[in-house]
Amino acid sequence: EVHLVESGGGSVQPGGSLTLSCAASGFTFNKFAMRWVRQTPGKGLEWISDISSSGDATYYADSVKGRFTISRDNSKNTMYLQMNSLRVEDTATYYCAKGSPGSIDNWGQGALVIVSS
Amino acid sequence: DVVMTQSPLSLPVVLGQSASISCRSSQSLKHNDGNTYLAWFQQRPGQSPRRLINKVSDRDSGVPDRFSGSGSGTDFTLKISRMEAEDVGVYYCMQGIQWPRTFGQGTKVEIK
Repeated sequence: EVHLVESGGGSVQPGGSLTLSCAASGFTFNKFAMRWVRQTPGKGLEWISDISSSGDATYYADSVKGRFTISRDNSKNTMYLQMNSLRVEDTATYYCAKGSPGSIDNWGQGALVIVSS
Repeated sequence: DVVMTQSPLSLPVVLGQSASISCRSSQSLKHNDGNTYLAWFQQRPGQSPRRLINKVSDRDSGVPDRFSGSGSGTDFTLKISRMEAEDVGVYYCMQGIQWPRTFGQGTKVEIK
């Protein structure tokens, strides 16, 4: 069974930084692209970043490009999201997701990030 | 960006009755590889989303057969054939043909 567990969420002031981790199990991690999707309070879903299975290709939504960095360590079955220059509008639940071509197979339970002064 | 438009945004359904959600994309979701990259997700209250349908009509393992997907090109439909209490939640479509991936606004399904 696929398990995706996010960690590293919390509260931070505007302009601050935070790193989310996603520990994966139940599948061959290095064979699959991985994704981050966020959900703002009471609102819908926003895809924010993808990383290829090997880690050599990454994609970002315009809303986070230049501030967020996605990475992965296939030896640890873990994906990361380094978030810098955080803004109030980045407040959201961040989901880690296992990718498949053009889709999302599985979602984690989410990590809440609150950006507030 | 590909814009995904769902309707209705709110859908009260009588238990045992059927319901349909429409999802329209601003451009065709059919890829050169022959696949159409449209997926449906269910988010029950307080839970993470889970995929119900992939590539328009492929139902995921463990998803009840009362859920079905159809459509092509830019017009897609998710149908719940016999509403049950556990189907309450928000349903999203998502396109996977182009970056950035984009979701519909969500359709809130509740019991009437």
